[in-house]
Amino acid sequence: QSVLTQPPSVSAAPGQKVTISCSGSSSNIGNNYVSWYQQLPGTAPKLLIYENNKRPSGIPDRFSGSKSGTSATLDIAGLQTGDEADYYCGTWDNTLSGFVFGTGTKVTVL
Amino acid sequence: QITLKESGPTLVKPTQTLTLTCTFSGFSLKTSGVGVGWIRQPPGKALEWLALVYWNDDKRYSPSLKTRLTISKDPFKNQVVLTMTNMDPVDTATYYCAHVSPVCFHHWGQGTLVTVSS
Repeated sequence: QSVLTQPPSVSAAPGQKVTISCSGSSSNIGNNYVSWYQQLPGTAPKLLIYENNKRPSGIPDRFSGSKSGTSATLDIAGLQTGDEADYYCGTWDNTLSGFVFGTGTKVTVL
Repeated sequence: QITLKESGPTLVKPTQTLTLTCTFSGFSLKTSGVGVGWIRQPPGKALEWLALVYWNDDKRYSPSLKTRLTISKDPFKNQVVLTMTNMDPVDTATYYCAHVSPVCFHHWGQGTLVTVSS
């Protein structure tokens, strides 16, 4: 069982905004940077957000990340059909002394 | 341009040892702050971090798999090797290697599906 909890699924119409939450604890999110990964069907994960809210080169600003206390959030604005994918949060856990991924969230564009 | 590619057997028998190699380009494992990690994903399930090794040979392992895993690097060959002992059908998964800097997986390989079956 993952120590980072995400909603199994979220959905919205094209052009709308979705928010994906990632809940952890003081041993992980509360004291470490959070990253977010997008996994399109049948492909390898891709980094979307690192250090809580930074986007790698080439990632549209429709994707934004934030962190507050022991939770993190990924927002996807202006939803597109190409955004249908699984999304994972991740961070270091000081107690486990290892990296942990969230349970994953499937985004569906209605 | 950073690229990584996993290689190894696609089928292993229960109790056997799995050896996977990650061959990378576009970065050096002699650079401070850089590492390579391994992550797996059983069919239809979530990502699971396995291990990582840094430029200074600092190695970290998943606590739940620590006794079965060994990670090593050869910075001159631009390769990182992961071995997992005593393979079981529940270890059937796609195994990915990824560039780490410093605690984030910036670039991923395409993954390799490993099936454990007799």
